[in-house]
Amino acid sequence: SQELEQSPQSLIVQEGKNLTINCTSSKTLYGLYWYKQKYGEGLIFLMMLQKGGEEKSHEKITAKLDEKKQQSSLHITASQPSHAGIYLCGADIANDYKLSFGAGTTVTVRA
Amino acid sequence: DADVTQTPRNRITKTGKRIMLECSQTKGHDRMYWYRQDPGLGLRLIYYSFDVKDINKGEISDGYSVSRQAQAKFSLSLESAIPNQTALYFCATSAGGSKTQYFGPGTRLLVL
Repeated sequence: SQELEQSPQSLIVQEGKNLTINCTSSKTLYGLYWYKQKYGEGLIFLMMLQKGGEEKSHEKITAKLDEKKQQSSLHITASQPSHAGIYLCGADIANDYKLSFGAGTTVTVRA
Repeated sequence: DADVTQTPRNRITKTGKRIMLECSQTKGHDRMYWYRQDPGLGLRLIYYSFDVKDINKGEISDGYSVSRQAQAKFSLSLESAIPNQTALYFCATSAGGSKTQYFGPGTRLLVL
């Protein structure tokens, strides 16, 4: 959606290196959701952030929410081939039960 | 077994044909959604349903219709398919007090 901008659109990282993806909203964030999609497959829920300053981690993936900037970042430490895929952010910007989604960031991990 | 299933997984059809995509879930969730995904555009909401008697249009509902046959089943129909509707279609569900959505594996549709 135009309300959510993801950057970069794509990135290539060497295995073992770190990477960061950003998701910026033009509207107030009531909740921010990160998903991972393997090519041609469904979206897998990674984590949800709701409060400003909140930070969550799952294995080597960490997501943070900057409420003032209306932005979230997803950071992967020591990337592995299993981290390759498309990462999408979804946001509750209307304080209801619908989510708006960014266009996604394609991550390629090179051995 | 997958909690959210979609059938068919792949479909090729011709312009003008009527086609139905089906979604079933065993998660017991009340809310169900249909999205389409196009390269560079992310996910766009087509229709959503908060319970069996509640159907709502999303941002791109023109050319589509839906049916919520039961709490667990939500179908998307293309009354007269056009090439512009070629896309990857996803069904999703969410539970009563949560806004987290869980997605099916998707249906890849090609309209010739």
